[in-house]
Amino acid sequence: AQSVTQPDIHITVSEGASLELRCNYSYGATPYLFWYVQSPGQGLQLLLKYFSGDTLVQGIKGFEAEFKRSQSSFNLRKPSVHWSDAAEYFCAVGPLYSGGGADGLTFGKGTHLIIQP
Amino acid sequence: GAVVSQHPSRVICKSGTSVKIECRSLDFQATTMFWYRQFPKQSLMLMATSNEGSKATYEQGVEKDKFLINHASLTLSTLTVTSAHPEDSSFYICSATGGGALIYEQFFGPGTRLTVL
Repeated sequence: AQSVTQPDIHITVSEGASLELRCNYSYGATPYLFWYVQSPGQGLQLLLKYFSGDTLVQGIKGFEAEFKRSQSSFNLRKPSVHWSDAAEYFCAVGPLYSGGGADGLTFGKGTHLIIQP
Repeated sequence: GAVVSQHPSRVICKSGTSVKIECRSLDFQATTMFWYRQFPKQSLMLMATSNEGSKATYEQGVEKDKFLINHASLTLSTLTVTSAHPEDSSFYICSATGGGALIYEQFFGPGTRLTVL
């Protein structure tokens, strides 16, 4: 069974500092990997995704993530955070498609990002 | 493009009543729609997958008689919580995938907050 681990429940970062959110996955094949952001009471916004190819992927809002197969990781990074980045961040993994059609995603428990002024 | 809406955004109901939540793809045809449930400060859990014109596939532990899913058209899926109880209070989020270039991403709705009194 596939699973996603986000080891950090909360992370506090000063505004302007760099950020790295960790994500480890367990999956039997090459995964499709996603990072989503959720503001309080809102739905999910896709930050970036990895399907294949270049292991460093660029996303919206200045985020990037690096897929490391040997470490089963897909960590999210941002060189300089802004107060508006405070939110909940979810890493997700999925096959997208299996024999029966499209599949749902498996989400990590999320990391709550707090930005200090 | 690829916008998913949900209605209502919030609903409060009495215990024992049924509640219907709509999920619509506004600008694409959704071949598959997913329903997730999110408890406060927790991750999203996939409840069921529905393909247009077919019966929904429920995840283990999800009561299909309690959470009725209908995917009658390529732009609309509904989730009906029957005989709702306080423990059904949660944030329900739908997502959808389409055809062509849209098959490699799930587009999420803004969610519906259900409170059962």
